[in-house]
Amino acid sequence: DARVTQTPRHKVTEMGQEVTMRCQPILGHNTVFWYRQTMMQGLELLAYFRNRAPLDDSGMPKDRFSAEMPDATLATLKIQPSEPRDSAVYFCASGPYRDRGFEQYFGPGTRLTVT
Amino acid sequence: GENVEQHPSTLSVQEGDSAVIKCTYSDSASNYFPWYKQELGKGPQLIIDIRSNVGEKKDQRIAVTLNKTAKHFSLHITETQPEDSAVYFCAASPPEDSGGSNYKLTFGKGTLLTVNP
Repeated sequence: DARVTQTPRHKVTEMGQEVTMRCQPILGHNTVFWYRQTMMQGLELLAYFRNRAPLDDSGMPKDRFSAEMPDATLATLKIQPSEPRDSAVYFCASGPYRDRGFEQYFGPGTRLTVT
Repeated sequence: GENVEQHPSTLSVQEGDSAVIKCTYSDSASNYFPWYKQELGKGPQLIIDIRSNVGEKKDQRIAVTLNKTAKHFSLHITETQPEDSAVYFCAASPPEDSGGSNYKLTFGKGTLLTVNP
């Protein structure tokens, strides 16, 4: 049963510290997404990669967030410096690209708390 | 851009009853409509999806219906069980020719379903 994996599952850090979240997409999926979930905003798309190339990061605060795919098995989301308002659950999702809308499979998430 | 409205925000049913969750969308070009189930502390799980070339799709106790004219789609769960208790999200995405943005899922705000034994 192929799954998206994310590490760490929980992270508590102090304001100003760097946070790195990692994601391993499902083998064979060529699209990767980063989402943030909060009670107030719901699920927000932060970034989207296809074939490891970033296609859309318009949902990401550019001054502090960055997303990369060093290789097909690893996606990273980095926050530097972190702020209390970044506290949320961050999800990675992957999917097989199709031309008529396609499935996205979510990982278990990283719960980030910034104090 | 797309706007997805989901109702109700909370739904409580007795075990064995049916549950229906409804969503409306604003972009008539949207053609892919997935439903996700999210249990506490877990990521959203894709449970069923429908594309605009069909009006209904079933998978055991769950079914989704789509009315493109009215721009709404619904999730139907029959013979509910306590393990169906979770938050359910609907979503919609546009077709490929919308600037290559067919990946962009717009989510509803979610429905907390509680199935009482």
